[in-house]
Amino acid sequence: KNQVEQSPQSLIILEGKNCTLQCNYTVSPFSNLRWYKQDTGRGPVSLTIMTFSENTKSNGRYTATLDADTKQSSLHITASQLSDSASYICVVYGSARQLTFGSGTQLTVLP
Amino acid sequence: GAVVSQHPSRVICKSGTSVKIECRSLDFQATTMFWYRQFPKQSLMLMATSNEGSKATYEQGVEKDKFLINHASLTLSTLTVTSAHPEDSSFYICSARERGSSYNEQFFGPGTRLTVL
Repeated sequence: KNQVEQSPQSLIILEGKNCTLQCNYTVSPFSNLRWYKQDTGRGPVSLTIMTFSENTKSNGRYTATLDADTKQSSLHITASQLSDSASYICVVYGSARQLTFGSGTQLTVLP
Repeated sequence: GAVVSQHPSRVICKSGTSVKIECRSLDFQATTMFWYRQFPKQSLMLMATSNEGSKATYEQGVEKDKFLINHASLTLSTLTVTSAHPEDSSFYICSARERGSSYNEQFFGPGTRLTVL
């Protein structure tokens, strides 16, 4: 069964601090892995995409890593801002129609 | 580019009535659109996949007669919740995949909050 597990389930940090979110997956076939940010009451917005051959990719203050051997990914947020408070969802794209969603990490950034 | 809109953003209806939600790809042609449902503090759950001009494919456990999907054009798909009941209250999100897109990326709409009284 295809699964994506994320940890922690929730995280509270102070503004300006860094944090790392984890994603473990067992999805086959594997096409690519994306991290999405979902603000409350909004749809998910893509932050990064990682293909099988990529190890690290950055998008501003977001840096994603992928270890295809251990089937793990992480999302590192640098110098957090209040607007980073959201749910971060790890999604693995398998076949053309199949996406497997993680349950998300709820990040709260406090002033 | 790749913007997906949904309308309405929020809807409140009485039990037993039907509600239609529209999903539009604003700047690209979407050969395939997807409908998801999301309950509080849970992740998105795929309800159905629709291809332009053909019948939708529903996921197991999703009643096709209750959730009517129409994908009449390459830029518009609609989800109609028929005879809505309070348990249908949820956050409904659509996504669209562009014709020939790389990595089969899906672009998500902003969601529609449905509350059934």
